[in-house]
Amino acid sequence: SAVISQKPSRDICQRGTSLTIQCQVDSQVTMMFWYRQQPGQSLTLIATANQGSEATYESGFVIDKFPISRPNLTFSTLTVSNMSPEDSSIYLCSARVAPTGELFFGEGSRLTVL
Amino acid sequence: QKEVEQNSGPLSVPEGAIASLNCTYSDRGSQSFFWYRQYSGKSPELIMSIYSNGDKEDGRFTAQLNKASQYVSLLIRDSQPSDSATYLCAVNRYSSASKIIFGSGTRLSIRP
Repeated sequence: SAVISQKPSRDICQRGTSLTIQCQVDSQVTMMFWYRQQPGQSLTLIATANQGSEATYESGFVIDKFPISRPNLTFSTLTVSNMSPEDSSIYLCSARVAPTGELFFGEGSRLTVL
Repeated sequence: QKEVEQNSGPLSVPEGAIASLNCTYSDRGSQSFFWYRQYSGKSPELIMSIYSNGDKEDGRFTAQLNKASQYVSLLIRDSQPSDSATYLCAVNRYSSASKIIFGSGTRLSIRP
């Protein structure tokens, strides 16, 4: 398994501002991903965080809104830019481990945009 | 058609009974399947993974996979109130093997 630490765990933000979420994994993992979980909903994949290169975004998500970095194997950041109330959600960092390919999650970052 | 479909519930089961959770998926080439449990306000927790047709048992949990029918299920025996949670089915996309896609989840309630 993997232990994944995220911060901040929660924040209240003003409309138009940006917030960066940090994610640290305790071991080397094969893949890192960012998901969003809106209130009462399931998980939606935002993007795959690629080490040393641009993230791969899912349909409906763009780099200008959700820039992602992954400078090394165990660390990634997600920025939510120019926030609006519709961005209020839980953002989850996740990582797949070898050899099973199982996916583990951090504790999540609950963002509220006013 | 959604990639991963689950009955949203709620599914109410008496304590001590068997809870049966079902999931279908659309990508016929998918090879890896997972069940997660999510308590309210918490992040998802992996409880079972299954990769081959048939049954896989782990304690009170049994995962069942039928690739021909594109169907995955999770059985919880001797259900306990602590099993009350949302259960998420997740499937590894064949077309993009690294990505795992989640169903909408089934809310399970175990009544004492």
